[in-house]
Amino acid sequence: DGGITQSPKYLFRKEGQNVTLSCEQNLNHDAMYWYRQDPGQGLRLIYYSQIVNDFQKGDIAEGYSVSREKKESFPLTVTSAQKNPTAFYLCASSMQGRLAKNIQYFGAGTRLSVL
Amino acid sequence: AQSVTQLDSHVSVSEGTPVLLRCNYSSSYSPSLFWYVQHPNKGLQLLLKYTSAATLVKGINGFEAEFKKSETSFHLTKPSAHMSDAAEYFCVVSYTGTASKLTFGTGTRLQVTL
Repeated sequence: DGGITQSPKYLFRKEGQNVTLSCEQNLNHDAMYWYRQDPGQGLRLIYYSQIVNDFQKGDIAEGYSVSREKKESFPLTVTSAQKNPTAFYLCASSMQGRLAKNIQYFGAGTRLSVL
Repeated sequence: AQSVTQLDSHVSVSEGTPVLLRCNYSSSYSPSLFWYVQHPNKGLQLLLKYTSAATLVKGINGFEAEFKKSETSFHLTKPSAHMSDAAEYFCVVSYTGTASKLTFGTGTRLQVTL
């Protein structure tokens, strides 16, 4: 069953704690993305990666870190420097190249709350 | 810079009546345009896409959208709403040559009443 798996579905962070959100895909896509969604706003890009061992900052990268050691995995760490981490986090992936037409496929999301 | 504006934050229709969700985009180049749907606490699902082929695009679940370059619009329509259409809808733009970068509208919440 092909797709994008995000875990956990719900996550709670204590003050000063780093937490890591998992994103795994078996679509053989080269590119992967992390978005943050807040109520009444569209999705905002945190980080993206177009190839293994390489990634770029998106529009709101401060307080977040990522790694891309394997093609199928793109974990996101929300660090203690992120002062307002409560949000719904979405991971996506896409093929690369003109034929991909920039279509991104999304996971089911992780809802992060602060204790 | 690319941007997209969804003109209504909330739309309410009766079941069986037409749906119209409005979207305008800013464009310096030829855009790719998408509509995604999100049900509560779920990820986003692609409804349809425009990538410079036919201007009238048909998607899943009976939705369609028309690309109008003169009006810089890409409105989403459906002839007859169903209760299962109740969700959040996002209009999204990207540009050929800026692979990977999507810009999302703020979303329109569609409510369907009996």
